Amino acid sequence: DVKVTQSSRYLVKRTGEKVFLECVQDMDHENMFWYRQDPGLGLRLIYFSYDVKMKEKGDIPEGYSVSREKKERFSLILESASTNQTSMYLCASSFPRGEAFFGQGTRLTVV
Amino acid sequence: QKEVEQNSGPLSVPEGAIASLNCTYSDRVSQSFFWYRQYSGKSPELIMSIYSNGDKEDGRFTAQLNKASQYVSLLIRDSQPSDSATYLCAVKTGANNLFFGTGTRLTVIP
Repeated sequence: DVKVTQSSRYLVKRTGEKVFLECVQDMDHENMFWYRQDPGLGLRLIYFSYDVKMKEKGDIPEGYSVSREKKERFSLILESASTNQTSMYLCASSFPRGEAFFGQGTRLTVV
Repeated sequence: QKEVEQNSGPLSVPEGAIASLNCTYSDRVSQSFFWYRQYSGKSPELIMSIYSNGDKEDGRFTAQLNKASQYVSLLIRDSQPSDSATYLCAVKTGANNLFFGTGTRLTVIP
């Protein structure tokens, strides 16, 4: 079975903190994705990586950065957390044309 | 224009009926199309993938793809209360990026 694991299920951080969300997959997938999900807005793509050290901006990259130093790990970084970044964050991975599989999600609250 | 658009719903059907969910996409070179189911508080779960024009059936689920019309649909036959969830249409673009529609909430009434 494909396994995508996100480092935390729930996180509470303070405004201005630097926040790291980690995602690890065990299927040797080339593609990895970070989304945020908010009520009424669906899944919005933050960043997409198609290979180690390669990344593309998604629809809403502002306030975020990513790191992919190893194929199995894709990190999302909130440089200075703000309350409008309170959301559910979902990581996914896939082969280039294939199905994407999701982690369990991280519910981040910024206070 | 959004990459992927779904009829926003919500959609209610009686138990045993057919539920029909629709989706359109904008990138003509898209090659891969998916339907995900998401229960409240859970992450999306893949239920169907389709890559070529026509119908693909898997149990009570049928995905339909029409690339000329840039249209994907999902039919759920003999709907059950356990099918009540939000259904997400997803499309991989020519660059292998993956975009989602906003989802359609389905309620199956016993």
